[in-house]
Amino acid sequence: AQTVTQSQPEMSVQEAETVTLSCTYDTSESNYYLFWYKQPPSRQMILVIRQEAYKQQNATENRFSVNFQKAAKSFSLKISDSQLGDTAMYFCAFMKQGGSEKLVFGKGTKLTVNP
Amino acid sequence: NAGVTQTPKFRILKIGQSMTLQCTQDMNHNYMYWYRQDPGMGLKLIYYSVGAGITDKGEVPNGYNVSRSTTEDFPLRLELAAPSQTSVYFCASSYSSPDYGYTFGSGTRLTVV
Repeated sequence: AQTVTQSQPEMSVQEAETVTLSCTYDTSESNYYLFWYKQPPSRQMILVIRQEAYKQQNATENRFSVNFQKAAKSFSLKISDSQLGDTAMYFCAFMKQGGSEKLVFGKGTKLTVNP
Repeated sequence: NAGVTQTPKFRILKIGQSMTLQCTQDMNHNYMYWYRQDPGMGLKLIYYSVGAGITDKGEVPNGYNVSRSTTEDFPLRLELAAPSQTSVYFCASSYSSPDYGYTFGSGTRLTVV
């Protein structure tokens, strides 16, 4: 079974600065996908970024980028120019290819952006 | 489009009562899922469905039942509610491809007292 570990329960950052959230995972699968989801206080789950394991290039979405290290089974999220609206829980998630697209989530990191 | 609609948003149940959490999607997604979110524990899969008439257990199915009679609807049934079922429940749907990710409902906060 796959497991996803987020070792930072809480983090904080000053507005406009950069922060990196850590995620490691354990799997014996070769083909899979990794995701970061954001959950603001509204409780809505929002997809932030997605990475295919077969792609060496790190995914980027505006201020959000990942550092995907397949051999180390590491998938960190970097948020640049942090904004107050980035305050949220962030969940790292794993999906095995061909596994009915089931997501396995980490426990989350609570990020607070301070003015 | 409404996306994924969950009802109710909040509910308080007494121990031993039963209820159904409703989930409807209008995106013609084949796959649908129920997760529960407990504080500090992330989201855990309860049940999932890959199409009408097909359901399967996830990681934490005990105490729950589901059905999928149509593509749109995927209700979650709680029988004999217990305090351990106090949680936030999320329904989600997706295409049969990881390229698009999930669309989540807004969640149901359930308290069993």
